[in-house]
Amino acid sequence: DVKVTQSSRYLVKRTGEKVFLECVQDMDHENMFWYRQDPGLGLRLIYFSYDVKMKEKGDIPEGYSVSREKKERFSLILESASTNQTSMYLCASSFQGAEKLFFGSGTQLSVL
Amino acid sequence: RKEVEQDPGPFNVPEGATVAFNCTYSNSASQSFFWYRQDCRKEPKLLMSVYSSGNEDGRFTAQLNRASQYISLLIRDSKLSDSATYLCVVNDGFNKFYFGSGTKLNVKP
Repeated sequence: DVKVTQSSRYLVKRTGEKVFLECVQDMDHENMFWYRQDPGLGLRLIYFSYDVKMKEKGDIPEGYSVSREKKERFSLILESASTNQTSMYLCASSFQGAEKLFFGSGTQLSVL
Repeated sequence: RKEVEQDPGPFNVPEGATVAFNCTYSNSASQSFFWYRQDCRKEPKLLMSVYSSGNEDGRFTAQLNRASQYISLLIRDSKLSDSATYLCVVNDGFNKFYFGSGTKLNVKP
């Protein structure tokens, strides 16, 4: 079974903190994605990566950065957390050209 | 304008009913189309892909109309276990997937 693992299910941070969200997949997928999901807005793409050390901005990259040093791991970094970054963060992965996205179980981040 | 638009619902239907969801997308160059299902507080999971010729998987039928940029999902003989949020998803052909905000379905006994 494909497994996409996100390091934390719930996270509470303070405004201004640097936050790391980790995602690991075990299927040798080339593509990895970070989305955030907010009520009424659906899933919005923050960043994605199609290879090690390669990254592309999604639709809402402001306030975020990413790191992909190894194929199986894709990290999302909030340089200075703000309250409007309170959200559900979902990591996903897929093969190149594949139809199916595999999601992690999500991290509910609250920034106080 | 959103890339993918869906009626948020909720659709409240009795068991055994037939229910249809619709979705429109804005990018005429979109390459592939899907329906995902998301249960409360869970991650989305692929329900089915959508093809121009239409496709069926048991009680579920999906249709694509490229000319109208419109995707549909029909669920026949609804079960309690079908209660979930259904997400319309469009791929731009360059590894980017765009999600609608979802349509919530409640199937009542």
